[in-house]
This record gives sequence, structure tokens and C-alpha cells, in this order.
Amino acid sequence: AAGVIQSPRHLIKEKRETATLKCYPIPRHDTVYWYQQGPGQDPQFLISFYEKMQSDKGSIPDRFSAQQFSDYHSELNMSSLELGDSALYFCASSPGFGYQETQYFGPGTRLLVL
Amino acid sequence: AQSVTQLDSHVSVSEGTPVLLRCNYSSSYSPSLFWYVQHPNKGLQLLLKYTSAATLVKGINGFEAEFKKSETSFHLTKPSAHMSDAAEYFCVVSGDNNNDMRFGAGTRLTVKP
Repeated sequence: AAGVIQSPRHLIKEKRETATLKCYPIPRHDTVYWYQQGPGQDPQFLISFYEKMQSDKGSIPDRFSAQQFSDYHSELNMSSLELGDSALYFCASSPGFGYQETQYFGPGTRLLVL
Repeated sequence: AQSVTQLDSHVSVSEGTPVLLRCNYSSSYSPSLFWYVQHPNKGLQLLLKYTSAATLVKGINGFEAEFKKSETSFHLTKPSAHMSDAAEYFCVVSGDNNNDMRFGAGTRLTVKP
């Protein structure tokens, strides 16, 4: 079965650079979520989109922005990168909107900021 | 707002013995509860979910969890541990009128031969 695809899988950037992470949800899933997992930490919710509109916002820094496109893929744009942004970034998708929906996670993008 | 507390940061069992990973939740509404497993350097895999149906939920790989509203608990169990079960386990709650999920701090399961 198709799963959530994230690219790139690994990314190395320097401080103050920008990065763009991409997420391709499972086909026919219209809701996308982004999470940040720091080293030894649990995943923290950043932001979600339903039908190309922002649905919920968590602890996403102002330096980050995200959007969902017409084909339902999503991109997380990160600017003025800081050392503390080094983390594993997960995208998840679900077939609908609501707290009972199961979120299916991608393999993650590991970002290292030097 | 909803939250979860995983009562043990680390659990160690011997292969073939039972596994118990404890989770308590807090939610203003009837929550949805999930257990996810994360193997080293891997993504999150759904083990099982509870969404107000049967209180005993069976998941993959022989895991199951029981929703106990009176105790606000959703403990994960498995009758017999296997070496491949060694991983980090996250209890997750979703609810309170939003669809973001709140993760517990995680429980690292070690399985000894």
C-alpha cells in the first residue's frame, strides 16, 4: 500500500540558510500534519492543513511557513535556520479531518543545521 | 487541552515475558487514543487506536490496549515479548475539538535475550 512520502530524507544546512521539506500524502488523503521531533524528544505538532487550508497551528516558529497545494502535497519552508532546528521532521496524512482520524506518518526528514 | 503521561521512560523485559507499557490521559472530551512505535532512525508506525468503540483494542504484532475511562488509562500490553519489539513507544491522544495529536514522552522498551 502507498505510504506518506517525504523528501528529502536527509538535509544538511548552515545557520541562517533556508530549507524546504516536501510531503506527499497517501492518495485520497486530504489532511496533512507536520511534526518536529528533537533528539530524544517526543514529536511536537507544528501545523496541519485540510483541503488546502490551514486547520490547526501548534508550536511552529514564525520563521517557518507551510502550505498545501492543489494536489494535496505540502511543503514546510524554514528560513533563518538555527542550530536548534536540527530535528526529525515528520509529515502525516489522514483521510479526513477530525480527532478520530488516524494519522499515518512518513519516514521523516532529518535536518541537521551546522 | 488534552495530554498524555507515560508512566515509565524505560521498560526492560526478557524475551517471552509479558510487556506492560503504561499510559494515562487527560482530555475534556471523549478522546481518541493511539499507540505508535518508533524503531531507531525510523518513522512512526501505528500499533492500534481507540475511538469510542470497543474498549479492548487489538493491534498489530500481538499488541493490545484497554481503554479504562474510570482510570483515564490506555495501557499497552503484549503476552510475550519478542526481540524485534525493542523500540520507543508513544501513547498519543487526540481530541478537545482539534485534530492535532499530543504525544507522551515515550517509553523505551528493551528486550533481553
